[in-house]
Amino acid sequence: AQSVTQLGSHVSVSEGALVLLRCNYSSSVPPYLFWYVQYPNQGLQLLLKYTSAATLVKGINGFEAEFKKSETSFHLTKPSAHMSDAAEYFCAVSDPSRKRGGADGLTFGKGTHLIIQP
Amino acid sequence: SQTIHQWPATLVQPVGSPLSLECTVEGTSNPNLYWYRQAAGRGLQLLFYSVGIGQISSEVPQNLSASRPQDRQFILSSKKLLLSDSGFYLCAWMIRRGVPGAEAFFGQGTRLTVV
Repeated sequence: AQSVTQLGSHVSVSEGALVLLRCNYSSSVPPYLFWYVQYPNQGLQLLLKYTSAATLVKGINGFEAEFKKSETSFHLTKPSAHMSDAAEYFCAVSDPSRKRGGADGLTFGKGTHLIIQP
Repeated sequence: SQTIHQWPATLVQPVGSPLSLECTVEGTSNPNLYWYRQAAGRGLQLLFYSVGIGQISSEVPQNLSASRPQDRQFILSSKKLLLSDSGFYLCAWMIRRGVPGAEAFFGQGTRLTVV
């Protein structure tokens, strides 16, 4: 079974500082990995995804993530935080073997609330 | 382009009342459809998914039910709401099998408060 662990339910950084949100996965095969962002009272929006091409993936809003198989990690980073980055971030995994044809969708972590200090 | 509509955006219902949340997708055919519930600190919990009209799979025993009367319509229902049904409900769709690494697309969500 696949699973995702996001370390830290809340992360606080100063405006202009590095953002690092951690995600570790568990999967029997190298998975597909996703990062989503959720602003208050809105749906989830895809930031970026890893699908076994380049291990360093660039997404929207200046975010990027690196797939490290040896560490089973897919941490999300941004060099310089902006106030508008304050939101909830979710890491998700999909098994390429697509259990039940993939119909059961993505498996999500519990989310990390990113707080930006002025 | 594909769009997903979910309504209402907010809802306040008394305990014991019925519930109906609706979700429709435009611009795609034969999508997989999903209902998630989001509670504070608990992430996204998959409630139901559907691979076709009339085909519903339940992931968690609930006071809720789902139906898919049309290819691009997904409805979440309850006959009698409980206080514990309060939360943020999200509808999502994914392309049908065969596309490696396909992502999920989400609606704007419904904030349900049971009082």
